[in-house]
Amino acid sequence: ETGVTQSPTHLIKTRGQQVTLRCSSQSGHNTVSWYQQALGQGPQFIFQYYREEENGRGNFPPRFSGLQFPNYSSELNVNALELDDSALYLCASSARTGGWQGSPLHFGNGTRLTVT
Amino acid sequence: AQTVTQSQPEMSVQEAETVTLSCTYDTSESDYYLFWYKQPPSRQMILVIRQEAYKQQNATENRFSVNFQKAAKSFSLKISDSQLGDAAMYFCAYRSGLDSNYQLIWGAGTKLIIKP
Repeated sequence: ETGVTQSPTHLIKTRGQQVTLRCSSQSGHNTVSWYQQALGQGPQFIFQYYREEENGRGNFPPRFSGLQFPNYSSELNVNALELDDSALYLCASSARTGGWQGSPLHFGNGTRLTVT
Repeated sequence: AQTVTQSQPEMSVQEAETVTLSCTYDTSESDYYLFWYKQPPSRQMILVIRQEAYKQQNATENRFSVNFQKAAKSFSLKISDSQLGDAAMYFCAYRSGLDSNYQLIWGAGTKLIIKP
């Protein structure tokens, strides 16, 4: 069983640039969520994709956008990068089946984004 | 809005001893799920244990158990026979049973140090 994989592991960008982070979900999982984890804090929910559509969004501006592909992999795009976007970005997948509300999320190792 | 509070930024315990990590939450809902995740230096969030709010019995997973006090909105994690591999950040998280997505609301985390 292949777990959740994220790429790249580290990234350095300049303020104002755009970035794309990628995530391959665990085999059999049809739902992908993205979280932002600032240093020393708990993760914050960015959004979730199910069947290639966004079906939940946290308190993040529109310059944070995403995609989910037919194979359930996903991308997180951030435009007009700001210094405060520096964080660990976590991708998590899960299977949306019966009784899914209690099922756990399976996380990748994250992408560390530094904006200078 | 729901909130999760972890009041212990750091805890330390002697190897083989028992330690309890605290978590309180605030919600007006009756249907929800609670989780403890572990984040080692590898950065991957790993599920430790979960609890359904409608279950009165406390969840246990080997050396890990919870004390779920629904009326007090408290969800503490007890680690018995602590091992060096338990050293990590521990996060408490809440998920509504009513939401249509996998949004988790997280505490700020507790750093657990294991003394050999």
